Amino acid sequence: KNEVEQSPQNLTAQEGEFITINCSYSVGISALHWLQQHPGGGIVSLFMLSSGKKKHGRLIATINIQEKHSSLHITASHPRDSAVYICAVSSYGGATNKLIFGTGTLLAVQP
Amino acid sequence: ETGVTQTPRHLVMGMTNKKSLKCEQHLGHNAMYWYKQSAKKPLELMFVYNFKEQTENNSVPSRFSPECPNSSHLFLHLHTLQPEDSALYLCASSQEHTGGRHNEQFFGPGTRLTVL
Repeated sequence: KNEVEQSPQNLTAQEGEFITINCSYSVGISALHWLQQHPGGGIVSLFMLSSGKKKHGRLIATINIQEKHSSLHITASHPRDSAVYICAVSSYGGATNKLIFGTGTLLAVQP
Repeated sequence: ETGVTQTPRHLVMGMTNKKSLKCEQHLGHNAMYWYKQSAKKPLELMFVYNFKEQTENNSVPSRFSPECPNSSHLFLHLHTLQPEDSALYLCASSQEHTGGRHNEQFFGPGTRLTVL
């Protein structure tokens, strides 16, 4: 069992729908990251958070440290949001910024 | 554009070849990373360099050899690879501070490697 679990693994939505992707983790962390990977490979960091909630445009990320759970929400989804969304956690301390990754959620938004 | 570049973007090599992957970061960061992404598996950390010193070698076979000549450049030298080494190899960088808290990593576009 992975230390970072995401659900769902695959998600298809219609344009305009509200989307939620979930992430649960089983290790102690200093921060949780949401990343976006488009076809072709490049990864972009969307959020890095250690408590509460963050919002960038139509994207919202929340984290509940006690429950070891985070969600990524996309409001008014658009076909250009189609990508793989990856949850990762970084542990506290040590010399190395070591990220532990989930397997990703493949999102397809249809027009 | 994340400020991290990788070359080549695609590489096909035979099992007896020797090749190198290159990563360059233009962000003034002091830590660089190599990751491997295989189909249907989470990204795997391979190597970490903090302040040009290797601080992590995640049980990577010796046919992968990293080199970090300065804080802006990172290489991954490849020799006698196996077909199962075919994957996307991603480079990342971050600005690390002492004290335990870590910072956001910025990723390059990756090199798609195929080993025949």
